[in-house]
Amino acid sequence: EIVLTQSPGTLSLSPGERATLSCRASQSVSSSYLAWYQQKPGQAPRLLIYDASSRATGIPDRFSGSGSGTDFTLTISRLEPEDFAVYYCQQYGSSHPLYTFGQGTKLEIK
Amino acid sequence: EVQLVESGGGLVQPGGSLRLSCAASGFTFSNYGMSWVRQAPGKGLEWVSTISGSGGSTYYADSVKGRFTISRDNYKTTLYLQMNSLRAEDTAVYYCAKSGTEQGYYYMDVWGKGTTVTVSS
Repeated sequence: EIVLTQSPGTLSLSPGERATLSCRASQSVSSSYLAWYQQKPGQAPRLLIYDASSRATGIPDRFSGSGSGTDFTLTISRLEPEDFAVYYCQQYGSSHPLYTFGQGTKLEIK
Repeated sequence: EVQLVESGGGLVQPGGSLRLSCAASGFTFSNYGMSWVRQAPGKGLEWVSTISGSGGSTYYADSVKGRFTISRDNYKTTLYLQMNSLRAEDTAVYYCAKSGTEQGYYYMDVWGKGTTVTVSS
């Protein structure tokens, strides 16, 4: 089973700053099958990035994903007030379990 | 517009059963794998189960295998999750989600708003 570990657990930044979120896998994620989701309180998760670096439809270009193998990064270039939320990474390349999620990173306003 | 609407959640006693539904619209339902993902109160996301577009292949997390059954009705464009032998640790918001591609099991590009299941005596 691939275990995803996200860091930091909580990130405190101000609007306009750059955010860098990390997701590390316990073993290589095949074909960079890694996604990032944003979740705000009381809402469903929203897909931001898939295949490690492809932005989902309608996602602003301040969001970018990078990485391969076991180390992946979500970068938000200039934080907007609406970006403060919890972010999850997810892998979908393994056979069992079919999907695993990281434990999440909470991005809060400093 | 692609839309997923869950229903069927509620309060159930330990050992009880519940069936969740997810009504889909705005896309060719039978072409896409569908999944259930849950979130316990104050916790992260946990994948529960996935079914292929035809319904011929199903997958489960170890935590629910043998107790939960995923199914779909492609004529009614509805996804189901039959939950038996429920435990307190099954308490969560249950989301249905659509696979982002027609082939295989990849990222989840559309999510419903969720339905809440509470297992308590």
